[in-house]
Amino acid sequence: SQQGEEDPQALSIQEGENATMNCSYKTSINNLQWYRQNSGRGLVHLILIRSNEREKHSGRLRVTLDTSKKSSSLLITASRAADTASYFCATAPGGGNKLTFGTGTQLKVEL
Amino acid sequence: DGGITQSPKYLFRKEGQNVTLSCEQNLNHDAMYWYRQDPGQGLRLIYYSQIVNDFQKGDIAEGYSVSREKKESFPLTVTSAQKNPTAFYLCASSIRGDTQYFGPGTRLTVL
Repeated sequence: SQQGEEDPQALSIQEGENATMNCSYKTSINNLQWYRQNSGRGLVHLILIRSNEREKHSGRLRVTLDTSKKSSSLLITASRAADTASYFCATAPGGGNKLTFGTGTQLKVEL
Repeated sequence: DGGITQSPKYLFRKEGQNVTLSCEQNLNHDAMYWYRQDPGQGLRLIYYSQIVNDFQKGDIAEGYSVSREKKESFPLTVTSAQKNPTAFYLCASSIRGDTQYFGPGTRLTVL
């Protein structure tokens, strides 16, 4: 079963707008990661947030983590057409090496 | 250039045939992973290896086999026992199990 579930499944916005996607998970974690996948390609790591962190920034990305609600959000500010991709959250239940991925949010940024 | 490579990019197989997908990395990572991705879905772990000459089953290992004779290489064999092998296969590697670095993927189609 999927540990992480992203919401929404699909999101369509205009260039320049902000995009927010959410991830919920079920068991305790050491960290939560966000990855991006362009159509037909491998995944690219975006950002990792540890369980003792509440917020982390990287360029136009902002990630929050609420361990009490077992949820995380990824915010992409000032979106660009090149941000069009699928975004996945991933966790390692119990802090092991195995990552469990959610089903992803498909983001489309239109000109 | 450091990185992780997969070959071939596209692979076609007749029913009843075994095929082997290649994954090579020169990142000096100890851990390597194989995932399967079906259309519109997240990634599901097939096998992973934390060290040379050792590997463990993931969530959907049936019909697949792997070997880890060298640190750089983690080939995946899709056997005829895999009932629905058509999918996108992704290989990844990591140092300590945190951030995973992905290859470009192999798309396998069974004819």
